[in-house]
Amino acid sequence: DGGITQSPKYLFRKEGQNVTLSCEQNLNHDAMYWYRQDPGQGLRLIYYSQIVNDFQKGDIAEGYSVSREKKESFPLTVTSAQKNPTAFYLCASSQRTGASNQPQHFGDGTRLSIL
Amino acid sequence: GDSVTQMEGPVTLSEEAFLTINCTYTATGYPSLFWYVQYPGEGLQLLLKATKADDKGSNKGFEATYRKETTSFHLEKGSVQVSDSAVYFCALKAGSNYKLTFGKGTLLTVNP
Repeated sequence: DGGITQSPKYLFRKEGQNVTLSCEQNLNHDAMYWYRQDPGQGLRLIYYSQIVNDFQKGDIAEGYSVSREKKESFPLTVTSAQKNPTAFYLCASSQRTGASNQPQHFGDGTRLSIL
Repeated sequence: GDSVTQMEGPVTLSEEAFLTINCTYTATGYPSLFWYVQYPGEGLQLLLKATKADDKGSNKGFEATYRKETTSFHLEKGSVQVSDSAVYFCALKAGSNYKLTFGKGTLLTVNP
């Protein structure tokens, strides 16, 4: 079945440590996205990528980094510069078209906590 | 900028009750509108969408109509079930902008 796989489901980070969240899709989508979800705040866009080797900052990119070396993969690194990293992280993908009617498809998320 | 406002929850209903979750938006141009559902501990699933004025999206008994004149996209279901308990998000996507703009979500709890 086509879909988006995020791993791990739960992740724990020590203070001062970088961690990387994995996102893989087999939907042949060009565009991929990372969102952060906090209770009562909805979803906020961290980074997005429309094509391989290209990505743009979203609304809350500080303390995060990404890469897009392959179409299928869009890993997110939460760096030690992110002072409040505890959240639920969601990866999504969509077709890359000029039209706005293409929905985004989401993975099941990774819950990151600080030890 | 684009924005989505949806009714604050939580919403608590009894099984078989009628559901309405209000959603209004502001956007440049003619956005596409979406409802997503999130079950506990999971990601978001697309519930329904509408891409132009007066379109009605429907899925699993849920419906929403794209009302350009009132800039609204209210979610309705005639008879909710316990299994509908989840968080519902209204979202829009405008023009060639790849970004989805989300409302803050509405928690629905359906009691037997």
